[in-house]
Amino acid sequence: EVQLVESGGGLVQPGRSLKLSCAASGFTFSDYNMAWVRQAPTKGLEWVASISYGGSNTHYGDSVKGRFTISRDNAKSTLYLQMDSLRSEDTATYYCARHLGDFDYWGQGVMVTVSS
Amino acid sequence: DIVLTQSPALAVSLGQRATISCRASQSVSISRYNLMHWYQQKPGQQPKLLIYRASNLASGIPARFSGSGSGTDFTLTINPVQADDIATYYCQQSRESPDTFGAGTKLELK
Repeated sequence: EVQLVESGGGLVQPGRSLKLSCAASGFTFSDYNMAWVRQAPTKGLEWVASISYGGSNTHYGDSVKGRFTISRDNAKSTLYLQMDSLRSEDTATYYCARHLGDFDYWGQGVMVTVSS
Repeated sequence: DIVLTQSPALAVSLGQRATISCRASQSVSISRYNLMHWYQQKPGQQPKLLIYRASNLASGIPARFSGSGSGTDFTLTINPVQADDIATYYCQQSRESPDTFGAGTKLELK
């Protein structure tokens, strides 16, 4: 059974940093592209970043480019999102997802609140 | 960016057919591939993939869900609607980066 479990969320002040993790199991993690998708409270879904299966290619949405870094450790079957210079508009639930064009499996999400 | 437009809400009776539409600002089809996907999200839960590449049923999804369309116009159909289907439905395109989602259609009971 495919499982994706996010962690690392919480309350953080504007301008500070936070790092999210996503532990994967039930599939060969190193065979799949992965992504982060976020959802602000009561809002829709927004793709944040994607990373290729080997980690060599990354892509970012314009709203996070230059501030967020996606990475992965295939030996640990874990996906990461380093979030720097956080803003109030980054407040959202962050989901990790397997990315095949579609997002076929999603984690349960982790809440990030940016507030002073 | 490709903009996906969905109606905000749709009211339907149990046992009836629900048709949810998604219109793209430009074509999301390449050759025979229609790069539009559909998700269901219930309150407090993560999204779930229902349909991939416009018309392919995802694993474990009941056959009362179906998808159609090409180019810029796509449809998700639920027939018949059951109580468990009350949720918000999102379309997503992967034709062009960045991947974008529609704003969602909230399916409500009439």
